[in-house]
Amino acid sequence: DSGVTQTPKHLITATGQRVTLRCSPRSGDLSVYWYQQSLDQGLQFLIQYYNGEERAKGNILERFSAQQFPDLHSELNLSSLELGDSALYFCASSAGTSGYNEQFFGPGTRLTVL
Amino acid sequence: DQQVKQNSPSLSVQEGRISILNCDYTNSMFDYFLWYKKYPAEGPTFLISISSIKDKNEDGRFTVFLNKSAKHLSLHIVPSQPGDSAVYFCATQYNFNKFYFGSGTKLNVKP
Repeated sequence: DSGVTQTPKHLITATGQRVTLRCSPRSGDLSVYWYQQSLDQGLQFLIQYYNGEERAKGNILERFSAQQFPDLHSELNLSSLELGDSALYFCASSAGTSGYNEQFFGPGTRLTVL
Repeated sequence: DQQVKQNSPSLSVQEGRISILNCDYTNSMFDYFLWYKKYPAEGPTFLISISSIKDKNEDGRFTVFLNKSAKHLSLHIVPSQPGDSAVYFCATQYNFNKFYFGSGTKLNVKP
């Protein structure tokens, strides 16, 4: 158990819809990262937040947005969903801001867009 | 445009033998590399890392080698155990805010 929790575990929705994925980092970790893993693909870094502020941006689509709240939990919002958005979405947390800190991953949310 | 490539999607090894997982990267500015292990229905877990100022880092049965001139790193597992069967991702970071992961190699250690 990494200490990172993600809800929901599974999500099935239709094209055009909007969903919110939630992540609670390990106790004491200030950084939260979001990744997308499509079928047979590696993890694509989407975005990082540190202590409530956006820290780094990767390949995140404009239809996607995220935020980190004062209690440090984070939400990833996916809107105008397309079939290609079906993927595993992982949240990770770390103590610091840089990649020199190992990241602790949650179990992921599997999103299926029909 | 894959910055980190794992060209072998799968690898099968006999228990007790050495497992060698390979990873290539494109950017010579990458300065920190990590290996993560992932079991089904779980998130990746950190395994071992190496800084670009080193060419080898060892932790128990796991050793990571870095060849900067070839932009290549490898993970050696000796001896391999059935519990090592998992998907292994190599990852790197750059400039403190760019994180890249390979597509993973599925290791199967046969008893």
